Amino acid sequence: NAGVTQTPKFRVLKTGQSMTLLCAQDMNHEYMYWYRQDPGMGLRLIHYSVGEGTTAKGEVPDGYNVSRLKKQNFLLGLESAAPSQTSVYFCASLGGQRESNQPQHFGDGTRLSIL
Amino acid sequence: AQSVAQPEDQVNVAEGNPLTVKCTYSVSGNPYLFWYVQYPNRGLQFLLKYITGDNLVKGSYGFEAEFNKSQTSFHLKKPSALVSDSALYFCAVRINYGGATNKLIFGTGTLLAVQP
Repeated sequence: NAGVTQTPKFRVLKTGQSMTLLCAQDMNHEYMYWYRQDPGMGLRLIHYSVGEGTTAKGEVPDGYNVSRLKKQNFLLGLESAAPSQTSVYFCASLGGQRESNQPQHFGDGTRLSIL
Repeated sequence: AQSVAQPEDQVNVAEGNPLTVKCTYSVSGNPYLFWYVQYPNRGLQFLLKYITGDNLVKGSYGFEAEFNKSQTSFHLKKPSALVSDSALYFCAVRINYGGATNKLIFGTGTLLAVQP
């Protein structure tokens, strides 16, 4: 059981380049989340999805787009990367509203550097 | 504003001594509280949670936490620290409302360093 898998694990981009981070979960979870982790700031929610075909903005959505075309996948896109987007990105999933008392399951992260 | 505070950036403790990592929260409604641990180059791993009931909850790896509603705190504790407990610890809160998003608010993290 792989749980939550994030690809790639590492990436270096130049300012202005675009890329897509992939999150895949094999637990048939309804809810999926994208966070960024920065030193001294904890984890901040970028975007989230409560089901296939639905997405919503989190705390820090600017500069990012997301898509949830398939239930198991949640994609995070950077259209024009900026140095301020250098961070570690984590994806998480949760079964759904029926599991509101359960913890979110996290992937191992994508370490992204923007030069 | 809803928030979670971890007042200590780092906690240093000698192996075998008890440890406490502090967490306070400010939310409306009844909170669901969680502790996660992060080892280097890894994602967050769930340690324990408080939903309702007994204020002292026990979790993985011998950790426990005490919920104190009057002080709005949820401190993480362990009676005897191990060097292998050295990691980054996050406190998080989810609001128990009728909404459908179950978003988490995280503290800034506390680095626990256990010296041999």
